[in-house]
Amino acid sequence: GAVVSQHPSRVICKSGTSVKIECRSLDFQATTMFWYRQFPKQSLMLMATSNEGSKATYEQGVEKDKFLINHASLTLSTLTVTSAHPEDSSFYICSAVRDSYSGANVLTFGAGSRLTVL
Amino acid sequence: EDKVVQSPLSLVVHEGDTVTLNCSYEVTNFRSLLWYKQEKKAPTFLFMLTSSGIEKKSGRLSSILDKKELSSILNITATQTGDSAIYLCAVGAVRFGAGTRLTVKP
Repeated sequence: GAVVSQHPSRVICKSGTSVKIECRSLDFQATTMFWYRQFPKQSLMLMATSNEGSKATYEQGVEKDKFLINHASLTLSTLTVTSAHPEDSSFYICSAVRDSYSGANVLTFGAGSRLTVL
Repeated sequence: EDKVVQSPLSLVVHEGDTVTLNCSYEVTNFRSLLWYKQEKKAPTFLFMLTSSGIEKKSGRLSSILDKKELSSILNITATQTGDSAIYLCAVGAVRFGAGTRLTVKP
């Protein structure tokens, strides 16, 4: 079945540093990937839509200069949290569009990355 | 603005009980409604619903879409402790509801 690999699963960094999270579709090509943020006991909040070969589309309120997204190939999207601060600590999840049926898309999720900024 | 609302937000039941989770939506261009189960990490896919009135089943879980009422329900019968999770409803693949946290006690 379709698998999305997300790495790293956990990362701890110092305030002011940048952290890169990778999202790979292992056995399918994904022209579109999504990045979410999830706070404890809350639902997924869509941050941005990552499109292969073009600029990401950010949701309202998400700083594009802080959360850099690159989708350089059909199997890889990266999220870089730049100049991380403690308030950026969160669970970040990516997903990739796996199937398209009658225009409906099913997502396959990565396992998530827990970022802790000290 | 697209909206997905789930209820209840939290539910505690005992093993063997049957539960019904609700999802209502307001979206401009509806194509599908999806249910996911999230345990400790990322959500896993349960059902995709595109047609009204057709029940999808997988073991003890079932779901149905009502396009007239702009809603869907997810039923779990004979609940087990392993069903404890957050159940997420999504419309258009990216608009998620707040989720229902289900706790099944032994």
